[in-house]
Amino acid sequence: DTGVSQDPRHKITKRGQNVTFRCDPISEHNRLYWYRQTLGQGPEFLTYFQNEAQLEKSRLLSDRFSAERPKGSFSTLEIQRTEQGDSAMYLCASSLGQGAENTEAFFGQGTRLTVV
Amino acid sequence: SQQGEEDPQALSIQEGENATMNCSYKTSINNLQWYRQNSGRGLVHLILIRSNEREKHSGRLRVTLDTSKKSSSLLITASRAADTASYFCATQPYFSSNDYKLSFGAGTTVTVRA
Repeated sequence: DTGVSQDPRHKITKRGQNVTFRCDPISEHNRLYWYRQTLGQGPEFLTYFQNEAQLEKSRLLSDRFSAERPKGSFSTLEIQRTEQGDSAMYLCASSLGQGAENTEAFFGQGTRLTVV
Repeated sequence: SQQGEEDPQALSIQEGENATMNCSYKTSINNLQWYRQNSGRGLVHLILIRSNEREKHSGRLRVTLDTSKKSSSLLITASRAADTASYFCATQPYFSSNDYKLSFGAGTTVTVRA
């Protein structure tokens, strides 16, 4: 499968625990995005990378959230001290871009997080 | 905040009918993309239209873009039950500040009745 893959697909955790999600983008894609989606809403931007550089982090993200993309390949999103409000679908996408030009973004199946 | 707004929020049609949904956005864009999402699943890319294009087709899908009105429409012709899904528009802003992120609207939920 050469699409975007995310792991795990589902995660149930107790409030206060830390969780980490992984995203493997399409191999030649240099841009990688993280979004969060709650029921009935569109995806909300969290952060994105061009290669290994994190270019922007949404103001929605508290200091409990951190993302990395070492070596410009896979990416991880960590949430520390989870809260019930963190329950959502976390989506990863990747695209190929150079300057202003950007191809379509392809999304993974998402990781559904439930904080109990 | 989200850039795009889809209209209507929900649409119910009979199989075989056409479905049209609209997207309005606020700032200048480099391109606009339409996505489909089946319940609880990831987003599937449908069409990308660039700011210098006015219309694009892909199978039963037709997308228009009017940059003067900052709006786009997605038309699905001869709808099928399998077209039941939520449809989102997403905009990539015009290159002015190294801003490449896609901003999504809240989506249009389409139900196709058999």
